[in-house]
Order: sequence, then C-alpha cells, then structure tokens
Amino acid sequence: NAGVTQTPKFRVLKTGQSMTLLCAQDMNHEYMYWYRQDPGMGLRLIHYSVGEGTTAKGEVPDGYNVSRLKKQNFLLGLESAAPSQTSVYFCASSYRGTADGVYEQYFGPGTRLTVT
Amino acid sequence: GEDVEQSLFLSVRGGDSSVINCTYTDSSSTYLYWYKQEPGAGLQLLTYIFSNMDMKQDQRLTVLLNKKDKHLSLRIADTQTGDSAIYFCADKRTGGYQKVTFGTGTKLQVIP
Repeated sequence: NAGVTQTPKFRVLKTGQSMTLLCAQDMNHEYMYWYRQDPGMGLRLIHYSVGEGTTAKGEVPDGYNVSRLKKQNFLLGLESAAPSQTSVYFCASSYRGTADGVYEQYFGPGTRLTVT
Repeated sequence: GEDVEQSLFLSVRGGDSSVINCTYTDSSSTYLYWYKQEPGAGLQLLTYIFSNMDMKQDQRLTVLLNKKDKHLSLRIADTQTGDSAIYFCADKRTGGYQKVTFGTGTKLQVIP
C-alpha cells in the first residue's frame, strides 16, 4: 500500500503560469481533501470531494479548481498562479464512515510550491 | 469564528514531560484529534479522544479534555528527540462531510 501520494514534490512557477497537482490514494477512500499549509496559519481546506465526480469548496477556494474523475485521484489546478499561492499543499483522504466514528485523515507528503 | 488555537512553539529538555495545549470554540465537536507532522512529511494521526471522555492514555501520551472550558491538552512523558515535530490539534464537527478543523500547530523542540 502506497497510501496517499502527491506529484510533484517541488515546483517553481512564474506569476500567471498554470499547473496541476496530482493526488492519488490506494485505500479506496470516498473522501479526499486539498489543504494548504502556511506558517502560523495551520492547515486550511481549499476544496474537498465526497465521491467520484463531486467536488465542493472549502475555506480558501479562490484561485484553485479541482476535479475527481476517478475515485482514487484528486487533482488541484492553479489556472493563473500568484505569489500568494506560494505554500505547501497537502492532499488527504478518509473513509466516508467508520465503525468507531474516528474518521482518520491520511495525508500525502506534500508539494512545496513557490510562485515568483 | 469557529477556531482551533494553539501556541506556536514549545521547547523542552529530553526526558522532561511536554504539555501542548489547544482551545476550540465549537461546542458541537464530537472527536478531537492530535496529529503529528515530522519534518518534510505529511500529518499522521497520533491520538484522539471522543467528546464524552475526560482523559485518554496511550503509552507515553495522555490526552485531557475539559469540555466546559473547551480545552484540550496533549502530555508526552519522557520526551525524546524523536518527538520533535509539529503537533496539530483538530476537531471534528457535526456535518455531512466530516468537517475537521485544524489548529495552527505547535512546534515542539526537544533539547538533548
């Protein structure tokens, strides 16, 4: 089991460029999430998905789009990168429901993005 | 707002106990979690407590929950250099998609 993987690990973009971050999970989880982590601000939810073909906005969705065409993949797109999007991006996944109700989220290793 | 707050930094000597504190605002929180983030890695669930519990012990870890004051703490006994990491408090609120709100994270530095 690879768990949650993210591609790429590092990326540098110029302002206005676009890119797609790929998240893949092999645990058959229904729910997937994209977060960004910034110093002193913790983790903030960008978008999430409760199943294949469905996505929803989180706390900080502006400037990002997502797609979940396959259950195991969740893509995060930046159409026109801005310096304010310099951050570390984490993908996570979880089961829809568990017997103990704990709903643990499993995280990928992160993508460090710098926009100059 | 519905926040989860933590202090940003804690430094302890190896062998001492560490106590990381967290306050939350949403009284509907059902589970409260502690996640650990090691350098260069993603978060990993360390422990959790259900909202109807006051305390949970797991080896060197003790979680205390004060629902009245909406205060959560994580005590690490005999802190070791391998415990150096960022610790995130998080709470799960009632909601259709398992809304989990993470705190700002506390960076624990263990001095040998």
